[in-house]
Amino acid sequence: EAQVTQNPRYLITVTGKKLTVTCSQNMNHEYMSWYRQDPGLGLRQIYYSMNVEVTDKGDVPEGYKVSRKEKRNFPLILESPSPNQTSLYFCASRKTATTSEAFFGQGTRLTVV
Amino acid sequence: AQKVTQAQTEISVVEKEDVTLDCVYETRDTTYYLFWYKQPPSGELVFLIRRNSFDEQNEISGRYSWNFQKSTSSFNFTITASQVVDSAVYFCALRTGNQFYFGTGTSLTVIP
Repeated sequence: EAQVTQNPRYLITVTGKKLTVTCSQNMNHEYMSWYRQDPGLGLRQIYYSMNVEVTDKGDVPEGYKVSRKEKRNFPLILESPSPNQTSLYFCASRKTATTSEAFFGQGTRLTVV
Repeated sequence: AQKVTQAQTEISVVEKEDVTLDCVYETRDTTYYLFWYKQPPSGELVFLIRRNSFDEQNEISGRYSWNFQKSTSSFNFTITASQVVDSAVYFCALRTGNQFYFGTGTSLTVIP
């Protein structure tokens, strides 16, 4: 089954404690991206990757890092989480940057206290 | 600049009523795609429809229909005979180039 898998689904952490949210897709997609969803703001893109070792900032990259060492994985790293990063995070993948349909993971609800 | 506006923050309807969710977009690109996604209470994002900028034909899929009008830069979504299971947040999105731009979402509650 074609899918995008995020882990964990739920996470509560403390300010400053580094964390990683994993994202993996099994569709051999080149393009992957991370979004955060906040009330009244919709989904905003954090980072995207057009292929292995190619990443770029989205609209709200501050406080986040990503890496794309393998095609299937695109982890989101919060080196020093802060309460304003409490949000619902979605990973998405597309076959290529110009393909229109995106597949989304199930979301990770992160709370930073 | 690209932008998607969903002016309706929350809508409540009684079951079996029809409801239209509005979406207005801004882009200077001539080639773009428009989407609707549903986010049920469980939180995942469910793809509903994709439209490209060259195809203004309206589409109907069961109780769902979409009205794309380039003249008004709108891509509205109508649910006919709404059901409780339609209760969700609905997002309209625009893709130009490499990026997606999402609206802020419309929360629909269908009251039994």
